[in-house]
Amino acid sequence: QSALTQPASVSGSPGQSITISCTGTSSDVGGYNYVSWYQQHPGKAPKLMIYDVSNRPSGVSNRFSGSKSGNTASLTISGLQAEDEADYYCSSYTSSSTLKVVFGGGTKLTVL
Amino acid sequence: EVQLVESGGGLVQPGRSLRLSCAASGFTFDDYAMHWVRQAPGKGLEWVSGISWNSGSIGYADSVKGRFTISRDNAKNSLYLQMNSLRAEDTALYYCAKDWATVTTPTFDYWGQGTLVTVSS
Repeated sequence: QSALTQPASVSGSPGQSITISCTGTSSDVGGYNYVSWYQQHPGKAPKLMIYDVSNRPSGVSNRFSGSKSGNTASLTISGLQAEDEADYYCSSYTSSSTLKVVFGGGTKLTVL
Repeated sequence: EVQLVESGGGLVQPGRSLRLSCAASGFTFDDYAMHWVRQAPGKGLEWVSGISWNSGSIGYADSVKGRFTISRDNAKNSLYLQMNSLRAEDTALYYCAKDWATVTTPTFDYWGQGTLVTVSS
């Protein structure tokens, strides 16, 4: 299965908002409302930030939000802070002969 | 506190085998699906395999299907990954991850710190 498509990098200044896209197909992002987003700081394990397209786990800042339109999911971070600088990955179900999970290639967020 | 502790990584020659383990604590292990996710040095995350709470549903990435086998022992609160016919491209940090549901979903709410597998002659 092919990885979901994310931009390699995005950047923004403190206080601004940024959006990271995650493009798949009707067999993954477009076919299920099971898109998750993860944040990974260097040398650390990933952290769940969004699940089921737009839900935030307890403890995750409400500056993080998710959405989906067709085959593209998006993660928006508002009020950028220095600690948001990290790699972000989307994931989704992908259907074939058996259900599988696929990740996006990852996006490096730089806070200027 | 949820803890996932991976072990079993190391340096192995191409074509050989390795078995990874993940010891889980702090939650009811047999209530949740579990996964292995890997990350090659300097690269992104790659889902490797997932297993439902009762081992009734198992999935593999195409890149490992036929070579890797996931299993779990609910009595021992442990997850395993048997890796055979290892290749250089299997070199990665292997994470154990807890699903938030009983069946496999793309939602992993807890992760271990990973165990490094290096495949090289």
